Amino acid sequence: AQSVTQLDSHVSVSEGTPVLLRCNYSSSYSPSLFWYVQHPNKGLQLLLKYTSAATLVKGINGFEAEFKKSETSFHLTKPSAHMSDAAEYFCVVSDRSSASKIIFGSGTRLSIRP
Amino acid sequence: GAVVSQHPSRVICKSGTSVKIECRSLDFQATTMFWYRQFPKQSLMLMATSNEGSKATYEQGVEKDKFLINHASLTLSTLTVTSAHPEDSSFYICSARRGISYNEQFFGPGTRLTVL
Repeated sequence: AQSVTQLDSHVSVSEGTPVLLRCNYSSSYSPSLFWYVQHPNKGLQLLLKYTSAATLVKGINGFEAEFKKSETSFHLTKPSAHMSDAAEYFCVVSDRSSASKIIFGSGTRLSIRP
Repeated sequence: GAVVSQHPSRVICKSGTSVKIECRSLDFQATTMFWYRQFPKQSLMLMATSNEGSKATYEQGVEKDKFLINHASLTLSTLTVTSAHPEDSSFYICSARRGISYNEQFFGPGTRLTVL
């Protein structure tokens, strides 16, 4: 069984400061993990994905995430927030089986203060 | 590559009518497509999984007679909301998976359904 928990429903940071969005997962098999961003009334855009290669994954728009198996975490970070980063972020887990569904976290709304 | 489109992007209909939403994989063949529903300020809820040429698999609590899914080809799946009611108003998002062993899903831009 798989599950994913996003620990914060809302995160607010000032522009230019670091961003940390937390995600913990559980999976019976070696997981694939993803972060998606959704702007208001828009579809989902893939930020980055982990699929068993390097544990530090770099994505688009300066985001990166580190897979930590011992902590079952896949937190999303960015060194310096930009106003355009304000959006909803979803952490997603999937196991490697062909019949696998993906499981969405509950989402974290990121607000950026000027 | 791996672009998924949805049509229409926005639809408003009267209560009691049926609405069809199309999901297309534009540059790859999708053996499996998924339909999600998203309520305001909430996460995506998987409604059903559709495999080309076979019946869709619905998640618990989703009415299969209400939400008809057809996956007639490797690039097209449709979701028909039958006899729509205001409580069916939502954001519907499809995704497509490329191949069998590749588990990344590619998402469409979503369809906003408003039932009056």
